[in-house]
Amino acid sequence: DQQVKQNSPSLSVQEGRISILNCDYTNSMFDYFLWYKKYPAEGPTFLISISSIKDKNEDGRFTVFLNKSAKHLSLHIVPSQPGDSAVYFCAARVLYSGGSNYKLTFGKGTLLTVNP
Amino acid sequence: NAGVTQTPKFQVLKTGQSMTLQCAQDMNHNSMYWYRQDPGMGLRLIYYSASEGTTDKGEVPNGYNVSRLNKREFSLRLESAAPSQTSVYFCASSPRGASTDTQYFGPGTRLTVL
Repeated sequence: DQQVKQNSPSLSVQEGRISILNCDYTNSMFDYFLWYKKYPAEGPTFLISISSIKDKNEDGRFTVFLNKSAKHLSLHIVPSQPGDSAVYFCAARVLYSGGSNYKLTFGKGTLLTVNP
Repeated sequence: NAGVTQTPKFQVLKTGQSMTLQCAQDMNHNSMYWYRQDPGMGLRLIYYSASEGTTDKGEVPNGYNVSRLNKREFSLRLESAAPSQTSVYFCASSPRGASTDTQYFGPGTRLTVL
């Protein structure tokens, strides 16, 4: 049962335009959400996060929106740059192991291509 | 400051062989993790260590063992490799493993089991 879903395997946008990456989740116990970016042959790197008590978090060109009622979050990149081309993973945090630790559940990722 | 390092970068094994994947972090983090990434599957947690001296199973622990050797090092062992364990393995660490801590990932080990 996939609890974090990224339904678009790929997205292609023009440089300077907005990129919108979507993520849906099913577990209402998730309390924190993160986006990671991954380049080929490298490990994922943290990009931006949002607590479940907020609906928006912004960091430079990156903004994450959370709609708890719809169990949906999105990552907006404005303006998109060719260097943003990477796989983007959505991740959600939940208590684990009897409530003593947290773990992350990842989506399958979306490959973003920004064309010059 | 190297962050999270993993060795080897690539490995090819025959079915039934054993090997240990090494991971070390120099950020003085308490928690460490092992994930595998398969095509179309995202990242799945194999084992984690919330603090030195403790280890716990993740989503897909079967066929693996781990050792938290000290605060810096967390190794993953395949006792009898199977083709289903062909994957890219990522080690990660975080300061406390809880709250809003983010995880920092190593570059990965690409393992092929023939």
